[in-house]
Amino acid sequence: TQLLEQSPQFLSIQEGENLTVYCNSSSVFSSLQWYRQEPGEGPVLLVTVVTGGEVKKLKRLTFQFGDARKDSSLHITAAQPGDTGLYLCAGVGGGSNYKLTFGKGTLLTVNP
Amino acid sequence: NAGVTQTPKFQVLKTGQSMTLQCAQDMNHEYMSWYRQDPGMGLRLIHYSVGAGITDQGEVPNGYNVSRSTTEDFPLRLLSAAPSQTSVYFCASSYSFQGGGANVLTFGAGSRLTVL
Repeated sequence: TQLLEQSPQFLSIQEGENLTVYCNSSSVFSSLQWYRQEPGEGPVLLVTVVTGGEVKKLKRLTFQFGDARKDSSLHITAAQPGDTGLYLCAGVGGGSNYKLTFGKGTLLTVNP
Repeated sequence: NAGVTQTPKFQVLKTGQSMTLQCAQDMNHEYMSWYRQDPGMGLRLIHYSVGAGITDQGEVPNGYNVSRSTTEDFPLRLLSAAPSQTSVYFCASSYSFQGGGANVLTFGAGSRLTVL
């Protein structure tokens, strides 16, 4: 079973601060996705990274896939209260190209 | 375009009762799946289907049954509910799972189940 470890588990910051969330594994993934989930809703895809070393930007969010495709990070610049939510990473691998393994998530709270 | 629709949104059961959580998608997605989400445990895959008539077990399948008679519907059945099945259940579907494409999931809004 492939495991994805996310850190930190909880993060509470002030508006305007920067933050980084990490997603690590000892296994190689063919692709990795980041989702954001708001209370009472299902997760919504933010980005998919496929190539080792790949960097993708989505406004103030920067996603990076590790060179060895075992880890990823999400960096948020100048966080806003609207960024509050549960951030989940999910990987595809282990010989399957459709079974997603999810990390346990990082609960981010951005205080105004 | 409704996406993935789950019903009911909330349900309370007594131990031993049975029920079905409904999931329907209108995007003609081949892949559908059920996850449960528990505090501190993340999302865990219960069952999944890669097309009509094809289902398989995920990480935590015990106590749950599924069937896929149509592309659109993927119901999750609890035959004899237990308190350990108290959770939030999410149905998710995907447009692509073959040929190396990343399996990007579209989730429903969830069904919160409490078993007393």
